[in-house]
Order: sequence, then structure tokens, then C-alpha cells
Amino acid sequence: NAGVTQTPKFQVLKTGQSMTLQCAQDMNHEYMSWYRQDPGMGLRLIHYSVGAGITDQGEVPNGYNVSRSTTEDFPLRLLSAAPSQTSVYFCASSIDDRDYEQYFGPGTRLTVT
Amino acid sequence: ILNVEQSPQSLHVQEGDSTNFTCSFPSSNFYALHWYRWETAKSPEALFVMTLNGDEKKKGRISATLNTKEGYSYLYIKGSQPEDSATYLCASPDGGTSYGKLTFGQGTILTVHP
Repeated sequence: NAGVTQTPKFQVLKTGQSMTLQCAQDMNHEYMSWYRQDPGMGLRLIHYSVGAGITDQGEVPNGYNVSRSTTEDFPLRLLSAAPSQTSVYFCASSIDDRDYEQYFGPGTRLTVT
Repeated sequence: ILNVEQSPQSLHVQEGDSTNFTCSFPSSNFYALHWYRWETAKSPEALFVMTLNGDEKKKGRISATLNTKEGYSYLYIKGSQPEDSATYLCASPDGGTSYGKLTFGQGTILTVHP
């Protein structure tokens, strides 16, 4: 199993550009989520999904969109990049959000200039 | 959003020392408490998921306890080694109506000096 994969590993965007961060898992996990990691802020939940076709907002959803058309994939879209979105983004998956451990992808380091 | 707090923010110990740190969470609507280990330039990896009051879990030199009535969990490392240097995160899901939201604490950064 590849586990949780994320692409790209690194990305530089100009302010106002849009892009999609890809996340895929091959463990048939229902629960997937996106976090951003900023110095001194820990991991903050952006969006999450409890199954295909079901998504909801986390703590910091503004400026991001998600969709979940398949169990395997959970892309994160930046609509109009801003310097405040410079961060490291982690995707995670789990059997559920409560009783089972989260498996994290390798992360995407995004810089918005 | 759940209020999950960790202390201390950082800790420096010598190789061989035993150490512990704390995770505090709301005791009402408790469902589970997760611990993760996060090494620099890597992704967080799960250590334990604990659900029952009084739970104690162990993995090698690392162990954790859980007190759901008072809302805290301790993580213990016995005989710290330099390879234990990492950020240790705890997280708790919202046990109320907000199904799906796992809230992380800010982490305790552990540095073990040889």
C-alpha cells in the first residue's frame, strides 16, 4: 500500500493564482481531512470529509474548496492564492475521526509570493 | 472548536532522563484522545488512541495515561534517547454534534541532548 500520497511536494504561486493540491489514499478510508501547519499554531483543520460526496468545514476554511467524488481522492483547491496561505499542508485519512489513528501524507510546502 | 492544550511548549532533557508532558481537553462529551509523534521534516505518526477513563497504553519506552473525568492525558518517555527528539501532539474529536472535527493541541517540542 502506498498509504496517503500528496502532490506536489513543493509549490510556489503568485498572489491571485489558483491551484489544486492532490491527496489520495489506497486504504479504503472513509474519513479524510486537510490541515495546515504554521509556526506556533500546530495543525489546524481546513476541511474534512466523512465519505464520498460529504464534506464540511473545519477551523480555517476560508479561501479553500474541497470535493470528494471518490473514496480515494480528496483534492484541496486554492481559489485565489494569498500570502497568508503560505504554509505546509497535510492530508490525512482514517477509518473514522474518532476511534482510529490518522494516517498523514508527506505534506505540501506552499509559498505564495 | 474544542480547546486542546499541551504543556510544556518545549522541553530539553539529557539522554537517559525520563520525562512527561500533559494534554488537557474538555471532559464533557469526551470521545477519544490521540497522541502523535512528529519528527522534523516528516509527517505525524500515531502513537496511541485512547478512549476509556483509566486507559494506559505502552509502546516501547513511551506510555500514556488517560483521565477523562478531569480532562487530561500524560505521555511518559522513559530513558529518553536523542532519537526521541520530536514534537508530540495530542488531539481529540468533538464528541458532541460536530462529528468529524479532530482538534490538535499545539504540541510539546522535545529535544534530547546526548
